[in-house]
Amino acid sequence: KAGVTQTPRYLIKTRGQQVTLSCSPISGHRSVSWYQQTPGQGLQFLFEYFSETQRNKGNFPGRFSGRQFSNSRSEMNVSTLELGDSALYLCASSLVGGAISSPLHFGNGTRLTVT
Amino acid sequence: AQKITQTQPGMFVQEKEAVTLDCTYDTSDPSYGLFWYKQPSSGEMIFLIYQGSYDQQNATEGRYSLNFQKARKSANLVISASQLGDSAMYFCAMREGSQGGKLIFGQGTELSVKP
Repeated sequence: KAGVTQTPRYLIKTRGQQVTLSCSPISGHRSVSWYQQTPGQGLQFLFEYFSETQRNKGNFPGRFSGRQFSNSRSEMNVSTLELGDSALYLCASSLVGGAISSPLHFGNGTRLTVT
Repeated sequence: AQKITQTQPGMFVQEKEAVTLDCTYDTSDPSYGLFWYKQPSSGEMIFLIYQGSYDQQNATEGRYSLNFQKARKSANLVISASQLGDSAMYFCAMREGSQGGKLIFGQGTELSVKP
């Protein structure tokens, strides 16, 4: 079974631009969540989607948004990029959204560099 | 307040020896789950082991075991017979029953296995 696939692997953008990251979950997984990883702040939760609905949102500005499609694929968008948005963005999927024991399965991430 | 604390930024262990990575957590939710993930330099987060707050026995998965001390709010990861391939960042994470699929991560411990 294929794992979580994130595209692209690397992105370089300029301040003020916008970016869209894509995530395809493991087949059969309906819950997708996104995390931002930086050396200073560590791993921080962005949002979680289940059956095309946002179920939970982290403490990020409105420039960060996401959506989930009917096939469970997800995208996240960051508008008006800032230097501080440079990070590794990790997507994760799980079989049963919200079940405490259901582990998240992560993709390889998209490394975004903002210049 | 930090909900997940990993007090060891870096650790060294000799190949074939056992090592314990510390994790303490803080929650008022009676229902929660604790996870450990491994992140090699490639960036992918690999799920290792899970412990539920109501589980009576400590979780084990191959060479990984979780030393769960509920009263002390600690969930230490024990890796037996360390291998060179165990060199990586290790993250402790918690999911609270009231928070859906959201995981809260600690800052991580970088483990280096010496030959």
